[in-house]
Amino acid sequence: GENVEQHPSTLSVQEGDSAVIKCTYSDSASNYFPWYKQELGKGPQLIIDIRSNVGEKKDQRIAVTLNKTAKHFSLHITETQPEDSAVYFCAATSGRDDKIIFGKGTRLHILP
Amino acid sequence: GAVVSQHPSRVICKSGTSVKIECRSLDFQATTMFWYRQFPKQSLMLMATSNEGSKATYEQGVEKDKFLINHASLTLSTLTVTSAHPEDSSFYICSASESGLGYGYTFGSGTRLTVV
Repeated sequence: GENVEQHPSTLSVQEGDSAVIKCTYSDSASNYFPWYKQELGKGPQLIIDIRSNVGEKKDQRIAVTLNKTAKHFSLHITETQPEDSAVYFCAATSGRDDKIIFGKGTRLHILP
Repeated sequence: GAVVSQHPSRVICKSGTSVKIECRSLDFQATTMFWYRQFPKQSLMLMATSNEGSKATYEQGVEKDKFLINHASLTLSTLTVTSAHPEDSSFYICSASESGLGYGYTFGSGTRLTVV
């Protein structure tokens, strides 16, 4: 089955700087890659997603890139703000069974 | 956008009792919903896939008699933790997809279960 690896597990970034979180996946059939932000005690919220027919997608300060050949995808947050502090999860799913498999998460700290 | 409502948000129960958690898609129909479990500072682990009108599909290692799933309508799935024990204490989260096409999943706000 699918396996998603996520790095780093913890990331501290000065406010205003950029943050990058990287993930790899194992199943070449995976075709949808969402990113979720989870705040303490709450469910994950979708912040951006990308499908396998696209290499890059951007939404204001957030962007995601996908390299299908290497089977890795990354989340880029620019001009970080204190409210960006949270746990971020990458995930992957194939069209076969609709299961979303999550990475282990990255705890992002934005330093004042 | 799509909204998934989960209740209760918190529940404390005594060992040996059962607890029911509800997951509702408020403005869309979902033939498939998913139940996850999350331990503190860990990732979400898929427990089971809930299918409307049929039996749930459980992931390996998840006891189906312990975690009963019912998906009686296109907008409601329930997870019942039977004969709960302290080790069942966890954060349970459901999700559903409006599109049903394998993308666009929305998650509920989660249920913090504490078994004492």
